[in-house]
Amino acid sequence: DGGITQSPKYLFRKEGQNVTLSCEQNLNHDAMYWYRQDPGQGLRLIYYSQIVNDFQKGDIAEGYSVSREKKESFPLTVTSAQKNPTAFYLCASSTTWQQGHEQFFGPGTRLTVL
Amino acid sequence: AQSVTQLDSQVPVFEEAPVELRCNYSSSVSVYLFWYVQYPNQGLQLLLKYLSGSTLVKGINGFEAEFNKSQTSFHLRKPSVHISDTAEYFCAVSSSGAQKLVFGQGTRLTINP
Repeated sequence: DGGITQSPKYLFRKEGQNVTLSCEQNLNHDAMYWYRQDPGQGLRLIYYSQIVNDFQKGDIAEGYSVSREKKESFPLTVTSAQKNPTAFYLCASSTTWQQGHEQFFGPGTRLTVL
Repeated sequence: AQSVTQLDSQVPVFEEAPVELRCNYSSSVSVYLFWYVQYPNQGLQLLLKYLSGSTLVKGINGFEAEFNKSQTSFHLRKPSVHISDTAEYFCAVSSSGAQKLVFGQGTRLTINP
């Protein structure tokens, strides 16, 4: 079955540590996205990538980094520079040619900083 | 710039009652509109979308939405809700040429027996 997988589902990290969240898709989608979700704030875009080896900052990129070395993978690193990293992180993908750019979402990773 | 406003952060209703979740958007160009549902600790699932054509859009789980260009609204409705509809609902907008979706803050729908 085609879809998007995120791992791990739950992640705990100590302050000052970097951590990498995995996102893989087998939908053959060109575009991939990372969102952060906090209660009452909806989804905020962190980074997005339209093609391999290219990505753009979203609305809240500070303290995060990404790479897009393969079409199916778009890992997100939460660095120690991110002041308040505890949140629910969602990865999504879409087919850039499709009218309306419907996005398909993974199940999410809940990150907690101890 | 595009923006989306979901007018209610929480909507409590009784089981089998009708419900409307309100969404207004702002955009200077033609838009595409979406409603997503999120069950607890899960990702988002597409309920329905408006791209063009008929302004009344039918989606999964008995939901429908109406695009109203003059009022810049895209309200979601269901004639009779079930306990299983308890979830958070997000309205989103994009436009031709834009690679990003802009999401509203979400509406938490609670169904009481």
